Amino acid sequence: AQSVTQLDSHVSVSEGTPVLLRCNYSSSYSPSLFWYVQHPNKGLQLLLKYTSAATLVKGINGFEAEFKKSETSFHLTKPSAHMSDAAEYFCVVRGMAAGNKLTFGGGTRVLVKP
Amino acid sequence: ETGVTQTPRHLVMGMTNKKSLKCEQHLGHNAMYWYKQSAKKPLELMFVYNFKEQTENNSVPSRFSPECPNSSHLFLHLHTLQPEDSALYLCASSQGGQGDTEAFFGQGTRLTVV
Repeated sequence: AQSVTQLDSHVSVSEGTPVLLRCNYSSSYSPSLFWYVQHPNKGLQLLLKYTSAATLVKGINGFEAEFKKSETSFHLTKPSAHMSDAAEYFCVVRGMAAGNKLTFGGGTRVLVKP
Repeated sequence: ETGVTQTPRHLVMGMTNKKSLKCEQHLGHNAMYWYKQSAKKPLELMFVYNFKEQTENNSVPSRFSPECPNSSHLFLHLHTLQPEDSALYLCASSQGGQGDTEAFFGQGTRLTVV
């Protein structure tokens, strides 16, 4: 079985300050991990993915995430928030044993204050 | 543009109507998915198709009927829906059988049942 927990349902940051979105996972096998972003009334867009190569993964729009196996975490960060980063973010796990099934976290809604 | 196209983008239907949602991808993927996204609830996987065969039905009511005529097209036929079925319905595709591949999502169909 696999599961994903996003530790914060809402995060509020000021423009220009760092963003941290926390994600913990469980998986019976070496997982692949993804972060997606969803802007209002839009579909989900892939930000980045981890697939057992480098543990620090860089994505689009200045986001990056670090895979820490010992902590079963895959937190998403950005050094400086922009107003356009206001959206909902989903952490997703996909284990080899689960076949094609993606398991989503509950989402974190990010508010960026001017 | 992710390469996954959903139509219509918005749909309002009465409880006695019959309508269909359409999803199309030309990414060469062999797995397609329907997800339901309701307000304040986690993303729910509804159906999975691999090579046109349904491999997962996540206890979805029979008023939702999927159809996958080929690897590029996926439909969701709707009949006698309830107001609680109002949600954003997302289609996705991926290269099935490979755990490290991400899913590509369409923009979704915003369904309102009146």
